[in-house]
Amino acid sequence: DGGITQSPKYLFRKEGQNVTLSCEQNLNHDAMYWYRQDPGQGLRLIYYSQIVNDFQKGDIAEGYSVSREKKESFPLTVTSAQKNPTAFYLCASSIEGGLWNEQFFGPGTRLTVL
Amino acid sequence: SQKIEQNSEALNIQEGKTATLTCNYTNYSPAYLQWYRQDPGRGPVFLLLIRENEKEKRKERLKVTFDTTLKQSLFHITASQPADSATYLCALEYSGSARQLTFGSGTQLTVLP
Repeated sequence: DGGITQSPKYLFRKEGQNVTLSCEQNLNHDAMYWYRQDPGQGLRLIYYSQIVNDFQKGDIAEGYSVSREKKESFPLTVTSAQKNPTAFYLCASSIEGGLWNEQFFGPGTRLTVL
Repeated sequence: SQKIEQNSEALNIQEGKTATLTCNYTNYSPAYLQWYRQDPGRGPVFLLLIRENEKEKRKERLKVTFDTTLKQSLFHITASQPADSATYLCALEYSGSARQLTFGSGTQLTVLP
């Protein structure tokens, strides 16, 4: 089955610790995205990547970092500099170069800072 | 900056009725407007897309309209069922925006049996 996987589903972190969220896709999509979703709010773009070894900041990149060493993988690190990291994190991918940008989402990771 | 508003955070309707959800935006019109469904604790799933030069799009019990004069899209679910209960998100894509989507906060629909 083709799709996007995110792990873990739930993640707990102590304040001051960095944590890395995994995102893998086997859809052969070039573009990948990370969003953050807070209760009652829409998805906010953290980072996106349109091609391997290249990525751009989204609207709320501060306190986060990413890498794109492989087409299939786009891990997100939530650093200790992120002041309010508790949220639901969603990874997505899409075909680059299509007429429109239909995005395919993973199941999400819920991060809680203790 | 672009602002998207989706009508009331929650909408309750009776099974069999038509649910109508609203997505309003400010500033300039997007090239494409998309609708996604999100179930609790899960990622959104794409439902329908409408282009700026289209007035209406249908898919089974779903219908989307797009009025660039009113800067509004309406999303209709006819003959609604309890299984349609979910949060529905609208998302805008602009030409030249590096293919980014801007999402609304969503409307939580509950279809009562």
